[in-house]
Amino acid sequence: GQQLNQSPQSMFIQEGEDVSMNCTSSSIFNTWLWYKQDPGEGPVLLIALYKAGELTSNGRLTAQFGITRKDSFLNISASIPSDVGIYFCAGGRSGGSNYKLTFGKGTLLTVNP
Amino acid sequence: DAGVTQSPTHLIKTRGQQVTLRCSPKSGHDTVSWYQQALGQGPQFIFQYYEEEERQRGNFPDRFSGHQFPNYSSELNVNALLLGDSALYLCASSVQGADYGYTFGSGTRLTVV
Repeated sequence: GQQLNQSPQSMFIQEGEDVSMNCTSSSIFNTWLWYKQDPGEGPVLLIALYKAGELTSNGRLTAQFGITRKDSFLNISASIPSDVGIYFCAGGRSGGSNYKLTFGKGTLLTVNP
Repeated sequence: DAGVTQSPTHLIKTRGQQVTLRCSPKSGHDTVSWYQQALGQGPQFIFQYYEEEERQRGNFPDRFSGHQFPNYSSELNVNALLLGDSALYLCASSVQGADYGYTFGSGTRLTVV
């Protein structure tokens, strides 16, 4: 099945550093979502974006919905050890009879204390 | 308030067997979606149930079927298991009309040998 292009695949950073990851698609979405998944758990929603150009923050996290509606990025500022995990982007096309989310392959983030 | 509950957490099956996975949605949620997450991949949409009917299906063969009960809980059935069906199966519940306001369960880890 289709998956979004998410990069980088993995990152190894020092505590306190900022992190940036992005997601691109060949087709348009009207919703972009960012999730974090810890080992043995399901994904947890971090940020939801519903409008092209929208910039939304959640604490140290900031995400933007690209103007073309084909991309999104997530920034994490001043990383801490508990930021470790896999981050997924997901696109949706709400409205009509379309309810599914299309996910990227994930970015594995490791934070060195 | 209990979140999404999935059972069992792990199971091992032999090729050709059949398996049933169960999901209890978060309290107040009436819609259930199922996703398959292979190792190192993002979740892939299998199908979504609302009002006891399958209302959207992803690119999965007919061996994958489901059911939703009047209390909104759901089952995922997979027949004639293949080695490639080994994955983490995630259930996500939501409220009808809340675009992608999913709460994911911790998943069922299925291993086919």
